[in-house]
Amino acid sequence: KAGVTQTPRYLIKTRGQQVTLSCSPISGHRSVSWYQQTPGQGLQFLFEYFSETQRNKGNFPGRFSGRQFSNSRSEMNVSTLELGDSALYLCASSLGQGEAFFGQGTRLTVV
Amino acid sequence: QQQVKQSPQSLIVQKGGISIINCAYENTAFDYFPWYQQFPGKGPALLIAIRPDVSEKKEGRFTISFNKSAKQFSLHIMDSQPGDSATYFCAARSGGSYIPTFGRGTSLIVHP
Repeated sequence: KAGVTQTPRYLIKTRGQQVTLSCSPISGHRSVSWYQQTPGQGLQFLFEYFSETQRNKGNFPGRFSGRQFSNSRSEMNVSTLELGDSALYLCASSLGQGEAFFGQGTRLTVV
Repeated sequence: QQQVKQSPQSLIVQKGGISIINCAYENTAFDYFPWYQQFPGKGPALLIAIRPDVSEKKEGRFTISFNKSAKQFSLHIMDSQPGDSATYFCAARSGGSYIPTFGRGTSLIVHP
């Protein structure tokens, strides 16, 4: 059974640009959550999608947005990038109520 | 506001020793407490979890101890091995939410 796949693995962007990250969940999983991981703040919840609808949202500015497609794949978008957005972005998928399985993450560096 | 406080931030243990990581929570609605293990370049993976109706859960060398009245729980790694070197996160989740709240992580190094 294939795990959660995140692409790309690494990204370097310039301040002010926007970026889109992709997540393909485990087959059959309908819930996709996104987290930002930084050394100082640990794992911070961004948002969760279930069957194409945002079900939960964390405390991040509106520059962070996401969506989920009918095949459960999800994308996360960050607009007007800031230096502080440099982080590892993790995607996790689950059946909806059970345990979440994480991908390897996308390492975003903003310069 | 940090709902799950984890300590220590880093831990160095000799091979064969016991590693202990502690977490404390505020929200009494939390009813599921997982621990995750993360190796460099990988995402976190569920290691072991406990519900508050038991005070201890053991899986191999890994044990969770849970103190409901103190709102604290801890991970004990017995006979620590160099392969256990990783970052460990505690988390807590309530029944009404499927989204866990994570501690800030503990970087464990086990020296051979």
